Amino acid sequence: EPEVTQTPSHQVTQMGQEVILRCVPISNHLYFYWYRQILGQKVEFLVSFYNNEISEKSEIFDDQFSVERPDGSNFTLKIRSTKLEDSAMYFCASIGLAGAPGEQYFGPGTRLTVT
Amino acid sequence: GNSVTQMEGPVTLSEEAFLTINCTYTATGYPSLFWYVQYPGEGLQLLLKATKADDKGSNKGFEATYRKETTSFHLEKGSVQVSDSAVYFCALRGNAGKSTFGDGTTLTVKP
Repeated sequence: EPEVTQTPSHQVTQMGQEVILRCVPISNHLYFYWYRQILGQKVEFLVSFYNNEISEKSEIFDDQFSVERPDGSNFTLKIRSTKLEDSAMYFCASIGLAGAPGEQYFGPGTRLTVT
Repeated sequence: GNSVTQMEGPVTLSEEAFLTINCTYTATGYPSLFWYVQYPGEGLQLLLKATKADDKGSNKGFEATYRKETTSFHLEKGSVQVSDSAVYFCALRGNAGKSTFGDGTTLTVKP
C-alpha cells in the first residue's frame, strides 16, 4: 500500500520563527496539497501544487506561507514567521497514477505548536 | 464554491444502536464524495467513498450512497461499537483535486 509520509510528527517553535514542514508524496504522484486543521475544527485547504507551481491557494495561504518541491521526492511547506494562530495539524496529500488512480492519499500530519 | 454541511454533533449512542450522520453538499460539476474518520490525536483515515451518482461506498459496516437528486451522502451503520467512537468528516473533491471538508461530527458510543 503506497503512503504519504510527513516529518516531523510534532514541531514546537517560538512565535516569529521560521518552520519547514516536510512531506514525501507517493512516488510518481503529480498533484500535491497542504491542508490545515486547527484543534477541534475542520480540515481546511491551504494550497495545491502541480507542475512546479501553485495551482490554487486559499485565503489562509498568505505571504507568510510558501511551498516548494526542491527535488523529485520532497514537498515542503514553509511558514516564514510563525504566529500563535498557526498552531494546528498540517496534512500533506497527493494524487497521481500510482496506487488507485485519482485517489487522494493523506499523510499522517505534522502537529505544529507555536509558543 | 463547493461546500459540505454535516449534521451537528456531538452524537452519543449506546453500543449496537443504529447510526446516521447526515451530510449534504453544494458543488459544481460531478464531485467525488468521501467519509473520513479521525481518532483522537491521529490523522485522517479514508472510511469510504463514492465517485458517481447512485454509487454506494461501504467499509467496516459503514455505508453511504451518493444521492445526486438530494445532494446528500449520509453515513450509516447498523450496529455501532465502542471502537467506532471518533470524529467523522464528510468531504467532496472536485475535478481540480482540492478536497472540501465538513465541520466533523463527534461520535461517542457507550457500552
